[in-house]
Amino acid sequence: NAGVTQTPKFRVLKTGQSMTLLCAQDMNHEYMYWYRQDPGMGLRLIHYSVGEGTTAKGEVPDGYNVSRLKKQNFLLGLESAAPSQTSVYFCASSWGYQETQYFGPGTRLLVL
Amino acid sequence: GIQVEQSPPDLILQEGANSTLRCNFSDSVNNLQWFHQNPWGQLINLFYIPSGTKQNGRLSATTVATERYSLLYISSSQTTDSGVYFCAVGDPIISNFGNEKLTFGTGTRLTIIP
Repeated sequence: NAGVTQTPKFRVLKTGQSMTLLCAQDMNHEYMYWYRQDPGMGLRLIHYSVGEGTTAKGEVPDGYNVSRLKKQNFLLGLESAAPSQTSVYFCASSWGYQETQYFGPGTRLLVL
Repeated sequence: GIQVEQSPPDLILQEGANSTLRCNFSDSVNNLQWFHQNPWGQLINLFYIPSGTKQNGRLSATTVATERYSLLYISSSQTTDSGVYFCAVGDPIISNFGNEKLTFGTGTRLTIIP
């Protein structure tokens, strides 16, 4: 099992560009999450999904969109990147509510 | 939301030493996890421990839910134990789907010196 994988590992964008981060899990988990990690602020939830075809907002959703067309994949989109979105992005998945969340290796994004 | 505080913020130890990391949280929780973020940035699950005690090799953890704290013990430290240790608790989300997010503490940075 690969667990949770993320693509790409590192990306540099210019302000206003768009991109999509891909998260894939092979554990047949229902729930998937996108967090961002910023220095001194721990990890914060951006969006999450409780199953295929569902998405919901977390605590910092502005500027991001997500889609869960397949159970194993959770995509995070930035339509018009801003320097404030420079961060490390982590995807996670779990069996369900109040279950262990397993994290991917992260994507480092730099927006110039 | 739930507040999570970790102490100490930094810890520097000689290889072979033991350490205790503490996590205090402001409300009752049904989900508590400990993670190790290694120097390459990867978050590694250590324990899922909303209550009770667990052990895994040189690491063990205890959560006293009624008193709202959890402790992570590392014995006979090795240089590979260096990194940041995070405590994270389940924090309910008010939304159409319910669910919870993990609220993370700001971590304890552990440095093990050979």
